[in-house]
Amino acid sequence: KAGVTQTPRYLIKTRGQQVTLSCSPISGHRSVSWYQQTPGQGLQFLFEYFSETQRNKGNFPGRFSGRQFSNSRSEMNVSTLELGDSALYLCASTPAVRNEQFFGPGTRLTVL
Amino acid sequence: QKEVEQNSGPLSVPEGAIASLNCTYSDRGSQSFFWYRQYSGKSPELIMFIYSNGDKEDGRFTAQLNKASQYVSLLIRDSQPSDSATYLCAVNSGGYQKVTFGTGTKLQVIP
Repeated sequence: KAGVTQTPRYLIKTRGQQVTLSCSPISGHRSVSWYQQTPGQGLQFLFEYFSETQRNKGNFPGRFSGRQFSNSRSEMNVSTLELGDSALYLCASTPAVRNEQFFGPGTRLTVL
Repeated sequence: QKEVEQNSGPLSVPEGAIASLNCTYSDRGSQSFFWYRQYSGKSPELIMFIYSNGDKEDGRFTAQLNKASQYVSLLIRDSQPSDSATYLCAVNSGGYQKVTFGTGTKLQVIP
């Protein structure tokens, strides 16, 4: 089976811009979670989607949003980018009846 | 109080030794426990998961869970330089994918 894919792998944006990141889960996995990873904060949970519904949300401002499509692919959007949004954004997919998460390679976002 | 705590390390062990990585968690209702390995510049890779009290072995890796003490550990036997990485402990507090990660322990295996 193909693993989790994320696009793009690298992004450079400037403050105030917005960005959309994409994640395709492992075939058959219906749950997709998003995380932000920074050296200082570690892995921080953003949100989780299952069957196009957001089931869990972390403590991030409303500038961070996401959605999931009927084919389980997911996107996350960050509006009005700030310097502090520079991070590795990771997507993880999970089989429906188990809890193990499988991570994609991540998208490295740099905000200038 | 952090929900999942790990010693940041680095933990240095000689090649061939046993590396012992520890993690404590605060939510007594936690159901599932995971260990991920993350090499520098890469994404986390699941290496072990455990749901019941006791030990679970997979090759050179053993996960140990003690729910009464709210403690989960990972033992790596016959440590190799290729095991040098950051090890993340993750805990599912129940209900869908509410997973909390520790900040990780950096392991260095010295040849």
